Amino acid sequence: DQQVKQNSPSLSVQEGRISILNCDYTNSMFDYFLWYKKYPAEGPTFLISISSIKDKNEDGRFTVFLNKSAKHLSLHIVPSQPGDSAVYFCAASGTGNQFYFGTGTSLTVIP
Amino acid sequence: GAGVSQSPSNKVTEKGKDVELRCDPISGHTALYWYRQSLGQGLEFLIYFQGNSAPDKSGLPSDRFSAERTGGSVSTLTIQRTQQEDSAVYLCASSSELAGRETQYFGPGTRLLVL
Repeated sequence: DQQVKQNSPSLSVQEGRISILNCDYTNSMFDYFLWYKKYPAEGPTFLISISSIKDKNEDGRFTVFLNKSAKHLSLHIVPSQPGDSAVYFCAASGTGNQFYFGTGTSLTVIP
Repeated sequence: GAGVSQSPSNKVTEKGKDVELRCDPISGHTALYWYRQSLGQGLEFLIYFQGNSAPDKSGLPSDRFSAERTGGSVSTLTIQRTQQEDSAVYLCASSSELAGRETQYFGPGTRLLVL
């Protein structure tokens, strides 16, 4: 059973606008969340993370928001650039060794 | 090298043959993970190595899958008697701590196709 879900398989956004990628999880024991970006034929690249003690973490154009009560996190990219076009995975972990990944959202930023 | 490397990058094999996939983690990273990504799926955890501790094999899908890590560095994932459903991208990641939590760095993956 998928413990981390990304319900939107794809998203298209105009260059310069905001991209919002969403992720839901089911396990309330998860306390650390990450976003990865993946280009074709490459492995995922770490983008940004957030601990459950926070509700927001910002790094340049990328901001991750965590809503623990809703078990929901989102990644905001603003302004979006064509080079941001990639597949974005969210991941979650708790006290164990395992990281649980979503199925990914393919973002296309249109010039 | 600077990042995680994996070999081969692509592997085509016949059903029933054994395959070995190799991962070279980032130097100094003590933790190493194997995942696989089947078409249209997320990353599926397979196995985790941490230092000299016994590996966490809870994600291995069957006893045809095994992995070892020699000298705490290079790891090999072996799939015996491959089946068509084993076709996937196999990703290796090594990790270090970032702000007190592990952050994984992935290799480019090995694309396995079982005919």
